[in-house]
Amino acid sequence: EPEVTQTPSHQVTQMGQEVILRCVPISNHLYFYWYRQILGQKVEFLVSFYNNEISEKSEIFDDQFSVERPDGSNFTLKIRSTKLEDSAMYFCASSSLRATASYGYTFGSGTRLTVV
Amino acid sequence: QQQVKQSPQSLIVQKGGIPIINCAYENTAFDYFPWYQQFPGKGPALLIAIRPDVSEKKEGRFTISFNKSAKQFSLHIMDSQPGDSATYFCAAHYTGFQKLVFGTGTRLLVSP
Repeated sequence: EPEVTQTPSHQVTQMGQEVILRCVPISNHLYFYWYRQILGQKVEFLVSFYNNEISEKSEIFDDQFSVERPDGSNFTLKIRSTKLEDSAMYFCASSSLRATASYGYTFGSGTRLTVV
Repeated sequence: QQQVKQSPQSLIVQKGGIPIINCAYENTAFDYFPWYQQFPGKGPALLIAIRPDVSEKKEGRFTISFNKSAKQFSLHIMDSQPGDSATYFCAAHYTGFQKLVFGTGTRLLVSP
């Protein structure tokens, strides 16, 4: 079964440093997403990306965040200057169509980001 | 309103029991309601999903019941097993916006 692959699985960074989280979506999927989950809390939407541009973003996704699909296979989330409150599990997801019916999203296993 | 309210927060049942997890929403523009299962350290995995024109959907031991007028939907797990112990999230999506809105999650423990 096709998978969404995320690297690294765990990243520790110092406050103020830049981090890049990487994802390889399912190859024939067209829509890409980042979600995050603070420990013990619900999964929150960050951003959706289609046709090489952001299609929607949440209030969380401020100027410190950016996304990129640099080479047609990878999808990255960059946090320019990390804060303690950015510590969370970050999930990449992809979908083949505008997600309706049972098409669903496929989530990766996540990157645990710890900001110290 | 983009919230999806989920209850209970946690649930313990014995093996063979039928845990029921409930969700409620306000926004009638939502048109797709998936349930996700999440094991520790893993991403959410799609379990079953329903559209609002259907009142019930079954897939294996998992059933979604949907009440459009009450704006509520629930997940039933028949003959629950210890391997079903996980966190379950309901979610909602509307076609005009490319995102899922998740409930707060229910931690289910099925005791042997």
